[in-house]
Amino acid sequence: QAVLTQPSSLSASPGASASLTCTLRSDFNVSSYRIYWYQQKPGSPPQFLLKYKSDSDNQQGSGVPSRFSGSKDASANAGILFISGLQSEDEADYYCVIWHGSTSVFGGGTKLTVL
Amino acid sequence: QVRLQQWGAGLLKPSETLSLTCAVFGGPFSGYYWTWIRQPPGKGLEWIGEINHSGSTNYNPSLKSRVTMSVDTSKNQFSLKLKSVTAADTAVYYCARDFEGVVGLWGQGTLVTVSP
Repeated sequence: QAVLTQPSSLSASPGASASLTCTLRSDFNVSSYRIYWYQQKPGSPPQFLLKYKSDSDNQQGSGVPSRFSGSKDASANAGILFISGLQSEDEADYYCVIWHGSTSVFGGGTKLTVL
Repeated sequence: QVRLQQWGAGLLKPSETLSLTCAVFGGPFSGYYWTWIRQPPGKGLEWIGEINHSGSTNYNPSLKSRVTMSVDTSKNQFSLKLKSVTAADTAVYYCARDFEGVVGLWGQGTLVTVSP
């Protein structure tokens, strides 16, 4: 089983909100990790959006709108990327990442369609 | 404005060694971890590993036996070698800069295809 599991796709309407989940394997406790989120559009490298460990330990990427925010669902052992006021430009692939010791692990990515 | 420029062979045969180099322009080389990440066509991202200016490395355990990273601080360059490639190593390879876990600067990517 993968360390980080993301739904392969998600669709939402313009102006709506979307919650993208990143579920950690059961032997990884989400409370112990910072969750990093990246956005990738076709033909371009990923761009850092934000990192979130707690409400007091988080960082927004430079120039990233406040419509993008992070949180956790401890009961689901998951990190969440919340996007409000969806715009067509938010259509992209989204990846979560954790650092486990000195190694980094990527989730499989979620393709967000805004239609 | 800091930028990364990467280059290397784009077509390899199975069992050959992949070799890519990334140069850092317009910014400091020390104080960061320099990273390689790859993405097979149509698939997700995979962290390969990282190296700092002193040559300290961290590798993806699944690739560790085949990966070697190095730095040339005189040229502000870092390199990736991946030996014994197979078709499964076909991917776009990105060099990138990591600061405190955030990969905030990326190279343009190099498509490496492994084909007989």
